[in-house]
Amino acid sequence: GNSVTQMEGPVTLSEEAFLTINCTYTATGYPSLFWYVQYPGEGLQLLLKATKADDKGSNKGFEATYRKETTSFHLEKGSVQVSDSAVYFCAPGGATNKLIFGTGTLLAVQP
Amino acid sequence: GAGVSQTPSNKVTEKGKYVELRCDPISGHTALYWYRQSLGQGPEFLIYFQGTGAADDSGLPNDRFFAVRPEGSVSTLKIQRTERGDSAVYLCASSSFVGGPRYNEQFFGPGTRLTVL
Repeated sequence: GNSVTQMEGPVTLSEEAFLTINCTYTATGYPSLFWYVQYPGEGLQLLLKATKADDKGSNKGFEATYRKETTSFHLEKGSVQVSDSAVYFCAPGGATNKLIFGTGTLLAVQP
Repeated sequence: GAGVSQTPSNKVTEKGKYVELRCDPISGHTALYWYRQSLGQGPEFLIYFQGTGAADDSGLPNDRFFAVRPEGSVSTLKIQRTERGDSAVYLCASSSFVGGPRYNEQFFGPGTRLTVL
């Protein structure tokens, strides 16, 4: 079955710093790849997705590229804001799109 | 429009009791998923419904857990003889099926926090 290894947190950055959160996966078949975010006190919501190799998902200044050759889907943002403080989850989805979540990476952005 | 709703938001029960957790998906979404999230962990898949049928129940931990979706809309997750280890946040998500499930965003509800004393 699918599995995912995600960069452990917490990650603490100053505002406007560059962010990378690493994510690698193992999968049977050809999964779609997702990043979900959980802001404090809120439910899980989709941040971005990519459904085939070399696709780049992007949203709110965040980007991630589906790298089939390295089985990776690293999340990046050029300049983080305090409002980006949240827990980020990488998740491959299989044929039925059941999501296999990583342990989550807590991001804390300081002003 | 209305999102995914779950009731109750909190449930406290005693070990050995039976509980039911309800999920109302977004109208028109044929795919429905249940996950559970323990403290400090990512959500763990439990079961997937396509319409009324359970298309994948491989994540249910044992036969104390059962879920139904009789009319293809509302779903109920049922847990018999609850144990302390069942304490977690139970999340429901729904998605449309346009083009197949792997292309579609799952919309998550706020969850039901279950505490087994």
